[in-house]
Amino acid sequence: GAVVSQHPSWVICKSGTSVKIECRSLDFQATTMFWYRQFPKQSLMLMATSNEGSKATYEQGVEKDKFLINHASLTLSTLTVTSAHPEDSSFYICSVMGLGDTEAFFGQGTRLTVV
Amino acid sequence: GENVEQHPSTLSVQEGDSAVIKCTYSDSASNYFPWYKQELGKGPQLIIDIRSNVGEKKDQRIAVTLNKTAKHFSLHITETQPEDSAVYFCAASKDSGYALNFGKGTSLLVTP
Repeated sequence: GAVVSQHPSWVICKSGTSVKIECRSLDFQATTMFWYRQFPKQSLMLMATSNEGSKATYEQGVEKDKFLINHASLTLSTLTVTSAHPEDSSFYICSVMGLGDTEAFFGQGTRLTVV
Repeated sequence: GENVEQHPSTLSVQEGDSAVIKCTYSDSASNYFPWYKQELGKGPQLIIDIRSNVGEKKDQRIAVTLNKTAKHFSLHITETQPEDSAVYFCAASKDSGYALNFGKGTSLLVTP
């Protein structure tokens, strides 16, 4: 399967600041990338879907101005949490999918703590 | 949209016993059903998947069965080991480029 590298693995930031999370597909052309968030002991909730070179499609209830997604290349997507608040503290996970594929491969996740 | 139900939410078995986790889905257009294992603080790892044109698939100690008519699929782990302890998620999707819809997860504990 594809190797997906997510960075950083954890980050602590102050309220009001912005945090950028990177998701890299190391050996795979990811035409589609997905961003999920996961609260403790809960399932993965889809935040947005992005296709390379296009604007991301956000799920209902996810603020696109707060969670900025950029998918500029077939190997890199970034999620920027702007003006972070403590309630944004969560585990953020990206996954990648190739053209014509249904298999999705996941990064190792980023634990965001906003203090 | 697709709704995936997963049971049980927790499962405790003794080492060597079998474990079975069941999922149901609502969208008859779904045709891809993967299972993921997630260890604490890590991202999900694909352990096995099945497509709608197959009824059963096996990979060593892990097997998945699919009943399209009833819209349910199950994960079977035989000869469980303590390292199988983790949270397992089932998922469903209907086509390439679509995100997975996840079940709520099953926390499996294998005791020595």
